[in-house]
Amino acid sequence: EAQVTQNPRYLITVTGKKLTVTCSQNMNHEYMSWYRQDPGLGLRQIYYSMNVEVTDKGDVPEGYKVSRKEKRNFPLILESPSPNQTSLYFCASSTLGGGAREETQYFGPGTRLLVL
Amino acid sequence: GQSLEQPSEVTAVEGAIVQINCTYQTSGFYGLSWYQQHDGGAPTFLSYNALDGLEETGRFSSFLSRSDSYGYLLLQELQMKDSASYFCAVRDQEGFQKLVFGTGTRLLVSP
Repeated sequence: EAQVTQNPRYLITVTGKKLTVTCSQNMNHEYMSWYRQDPGLGLRQIYYSMNVEVTDKGDVPEGYKVSRKEKRNFPLILESPSPNQTSLYFCASSTLGGGAREETQYFGPGTRLLVL
Repeated sequence: GQSLEQPSEVTAVEGAIVQINCTYQTSGFYGLSWYQQHDGGAPTFLSYNALDGLEETGRFSSFLSRSDSYGYLLLQELQMKDSASYFCAVRDQEGFQKLVFGTGTRLLVSP
C-alpha cells in the first residue's frame, strides 16, 4: 500500500530536549516536505527536499532541521524545542511535477507535538 | 510575499451545491490545488488547475482564472461526509517546490 508514515503520532516533551520526528514514504517520490498546522494559520511549510541531499527552507524554518540521506526518509529534527513549536506536524511526498501536469502531495497521518 | 484568502466557514444542507472561493497574491504562479481535511485526519488531494477553466472530478469541480488571481472549488450533491476543511494551495513559480496553503474553509453540511 502506497503511504507516508510518521512516528511518533503523539509526543509530549519539555523545552530544550532534542527530538526527531521520522517520516518515510514507499512511493519512490523525489519530493518530500514538512508542514506545521496551527489553528487559524492553516498549513505552513517548514522545509522541503527535491531529492537526496537536496533540502531547502520553507516559510517557517526557524528552530527546525532536516536531512535527506535516503530517498524514502525525511526526518524533522528539533534541536531545542520551545513551547511555540507545539503544533500538528505533517510530512508529505510527491513526484516532481512540471508544467501543467497534475501534482498530488500525499500526506502522512500527522504528529501532534506538545512542548512544555 | 504570498497570501491566499478563503472564507473561514461555509454552511449548507445535504443535496445542495456550495462554492468555496480562493483569491491569491503571489510573486509567481504555477498552479492552484485543493485539499480536503477531515477533523483529526491528514489533508488529501482533490484537484489541481494550472490553466484557466473548469476541471471536473465527480461531484467536485475546480475553476481557475489566472487573470483574476481567483479560483473556486464547487461541491455538488452535498453529503454529510463532505463536512471537512478545504484548503487551496499555490505553488510559486520561482520557488517551484514551495507550496503555500490558504488558511482553510470549514464546510458544515447539515441534514
